[in-house]
Amino acid sequence: AQSVSQHNHHVILSEAASLELGCNYSYGGTVNLFWYVQYPGQHLQLLLKYFSGDPLVKGIKGFEAEFIKSKFSFNLRKPSVQWSDTAEYFCAVRKSGGSYIPTFGRGTSLIVHP
Amino acid sequence: NAGVTQTPKFRVLKTGQSMTLLCAQDMNHEYMYWYRQDPGMGLRLIHYSVGEGTTAKGEVPDGYNVSRLKKQNFLLGLESAAPSQTSVYFCASSLWTSSSGNTIYFGEGSWLTVV
Repeated sequence: AQSVSQHNHHVILSEAASLELGCNYSYGGTVNLFWYVQYPGQHLQLLLKYFSGDPLVKGIKGFEAEFIKSKFSFNLRKPSVQWSDTAEYFCAVRKSGGSYIPTFGRGTSLIVHP
Repeated sequence: NAGVTQTPKFRVLKTGQSMTLLCAQDMNHEYMYWYRQDPGMGLRLIHYSVGEGTTAKGEVPDGYNVSRLKKQNFLLGLESAAPSQTSVYFCASSLWTSSSGNTIYFGEGSWLTVV
């Protein structure tokens, strides 16, 4: 069965620190990859997605993610976090050609101190 | 364009009571989903639907039923609520076309407490 692992469950950073959140998946075929963000008290919103092409994907609010096929990874990065980035981050993976139901990781809670 | 709308947003139930959560989307999406979100568990898929009149079980379907009588609506029912069903419930929808990458659009959540 396809699974998605987010290794960092809780991350605490100070403003201006760099961020990298890990996401690994277990499916070996072609995949679509997503990062969603959930700000406190709000619903999930799409941060960025990889479907095909350039494996370095840029999203909203200065976030980017790199798809490394050989490592089955899609890590999320931001060079300098802000207090407003405090949120929960979810990685999701959908295998191409299968059902259109993505599998979500358990989420990473990010707290940024001002 | 309201996107995905869920009602009610908050509800407290007694054990054994029944209730229905309503989800409506105005984006003409084929796929609709119900997730529950619990601390440390992330998002878990309860049921989903790939089109009007069809439903399927997700990861944690027990204790829930769903119906998709109209394309724009997806109802989640709890016939006999249990404290273990205390959670935040998210409805979502998406297109099915491969070109969209199947981005999922979420509603704002429904906070359910069963006492």
